[in-house]
Amino acid sequence: AQSVTQLGSHVSVSEGALVLLRCNYSSSVPPYLFWYVQYPNQGLQLLLKYTSAATLVKGINDFEAEFKKSETSFHLTKPSAHMSDAAEYFCALGAGGTSYGKLTFGQGTILTVHP
Amino acid sequence: GAVVSQHPSRVICKSGTSVKIECRSLDFQATTMFWYRQFPKKSLMLMATSNEGSKATYEQGVEKDKFLINHASLTLSTLTVTSAHPEDSSFYICSARTRQADSGNTIYFGEGSWLTVV
Repeated sequence: AQSVTQLGSHVSVSEGALVLLRCNYSSSVPPYLFWYVQYPNQGLQLLLKYTSAATLVKGINDFEAEFKKSETSFHLTKPSAHMSDAAEYFCALGAGGTSYGKLTFGQGTILTVHP
Repeated sequence: GAVVSQHPSRVICKSGTSVKIECRSLDFQATTMFWYRQFPKKSLMLMATSNEGSKATYEQGVEKDKFLINHASLTLSTLTVTSAHPEDSSFYICSARTRQADSGNTIYFGEGSWLTVV
């Protein structure tokens, strides 16, 4: 069975501070991992994805995530938060082959950025 | 870039009626699309996998007779909520995968559709 756990339903940072959103996964097959951002009343935008290539994945808007198999983690970071980063972030887990695209989502983390 | 469009973005319907939501891939062919449901302040839950030209595969606990999915072409999948009830009110999002089941391909999400049943 596959599952995703995002630690912390709410994270609050100051503008310019480091952003760290935590994601742990459980998968019986080699995982594909994704981070998505959702702004209020909108769909999902892909930030980055891990598909078994480099373990450090760089995404859009200076976000990056590191795949750590030993820790079953895929935490999302950004060196310096902007006000525009305030949104909800979802970590998602998928499998390969014909199941590629079928995603299991974490519970989501709401990021608040203070001036 | 590739775009997936959903229509309508918001719909209000009366209890007992049916409502159809469309998911279109605008500039690529999608043999497989996925339908998710997101309850308020909750995560997304996969409802079903929609395969072009064949029956959808539903996740456990999803009523296939209530949530009818049709994927009649390579660019269109529809979700019909039949005999809607207030508890069906939710945000429904689709995603589309390009033809190849290849990790190099990106999964594209639609903008979502808000359904309110009154």
